[in-house]
Amino acid sequence: EVQLVESGGGLVPPGGSLRLSCAGSGFIFSSYNMNWVRQAPGKGLEWISYISSSSGTIFYADSVKGRFTISRDNAKNSLYLQMNSLRGEDTAVYYCARRTQVATMDVWGQGTTVTVSS
Amino acid sequence: QSALTQPRSVSGSPGQSVTISCTGTSSDVGGYNYVSWYQQHPGKAPKLMILDVSERPSGVPDRFSGSKSGNTASLTISGLQAEDEADYYCCSYAGIYTPVIFGGGTRLTVL
Repeated sequence: EVQLVESGGGLVPPGGSLRLSCAGSGFIFSSYNMNWVRQAPGKGLEWISYISSSSGTIFYADSVKGRFTISRDNAKNSLYLQMNSLRGEDTAVYYCARRTQVATMDVWGQGTTVTVSS
Repeated sequence: QSALTQPRSVSGSPGQSVTISCTGTSSDVGGYNYVSWYQQHPGKAPKLMILDVSERPSGVPDRFSGSKSGNTASLTISGLQAEDEADYYCCSYAGIYTPVIFGGGTRLTVL
């Protein structure tokens, strides 16, 4: 079964850091570009970062640029999101998603919740 | 890059058809044939329903169809069923530095 499983969410104070992980299984992880997408409580989906299959191309949304870092370890079939200088507005469910074609994400994880609060 | 514009809510009765619009600009929706649509039930992850404006992934009922005219893309759901009640999000390519941009989402209510 093709699957993505996120982990690493939790409660963190403003200014703190957190590292999210996303484990892929059931497919050749190293062949796919990946995205992180988040959803604040009661709000819509927001794309935040993209990484190509080889890690050679990386993009960030302006809202997280300079604070978040996307990376991957294809040997471990894993995607990561290092989040620093966290703010209240970063509170959200964070999803990793497999990109198959342009602007197309066909497999999503179940999400991991990040709460930024003192 | 601003989010794409969707109506906050639409509704329809079982068996009817509804259309959800997604309006962008010539820099995103209008500039590329890379529009996808996602269905999200409460507390669940999004599910891909349409890609490349009008293509249906395997397993998606043919009651779901997509189209585009100018800067506006549309998702039409015909023969509404109770399980179609969900939030729907459009998504478009918006250039090399913004590979993904979402719409604000539309809540579909099946009356």
